Amino acid sequence: RKEVEQDPGPFNVPEGATVAFNCTYSNSASQSFFWYRQDCRKEPKLLMSVYSSGNEDGRFTAQLNRASQYISLLIRDSKLSDSATYLCVVSANQAGTALIFGKGTTLSVSS
Amino acid sequence: GAVVSQHPSWVICKSGTSVKIECRSLDFQATTMFWYRQFPKQSLMLMATSNEGSKATYEQGVEKDKFLINHASLTLSTLTVTSAHPEDSSFYICSASWGGAGTEAFFGQGTRLTVV
Repeated sequence: RKEVEQDPGPFNVPEGATVAFNCTYSNSASQSFFWYRQDCRKEPKLLMSVYSSGNEDGRFTAQLNRASQYISLLIRDSKLSDSATYLCVVSANQAGTALIFGKGTTLSVSS
Repeated sequence: GAVVSQHPSWVICKSGTSVKIECRSLDFQATTMFWYRQFPKQSLMLMATSNEGSKATYEQGVEKDKFLINHASLTLSTLTVTSAHPEDSSFYICSASWGGAGTEAFFGQGTRLTVV
């Protein structure tokens, strides 16, 4: 089983749509969870951290289920500028320093 | 957010030569730096973790003698690809962190290496 698995893409949605990405991780010792965004040929940038209680940042909502080792990202009211690859990222050790990346899910928002 | 500068952003080299990539944290002290490699349409793969003043920890399958990592100060880590071959052509990205669990990692801009 791969360490971090994500929904296969690409997701093609119209502007204004709501889209959800799912992710599962295999290392139960992982302590830190993130969603990163990567634009084509660019470095990843942190979108948001994911907390057990769930957290929201504007149109983005992240959820974590430790029992199921499952992470989700919900994007509401999609914008053209949301088009990118979204990476589910999990810490590789209890110190939370080394990160393991999922393969990413590509989102394409069209007008 | 914090700034991590990676240099060069792209490089083309001949097969058999060595290439050095620098990663600098500009406004914070990075106790830990990470080196990743990303092939087209693939995820970032962790190559090694380096802590300032100590030897790097390499991931399984990564040749430490081929990918030399030096983390001599809290603001600079270097990755040297020795005797590069075309199959080493990839996007190399560093990231830096100042702390432990839950600490955000900041990424350099990446280096696109092409070996001809």
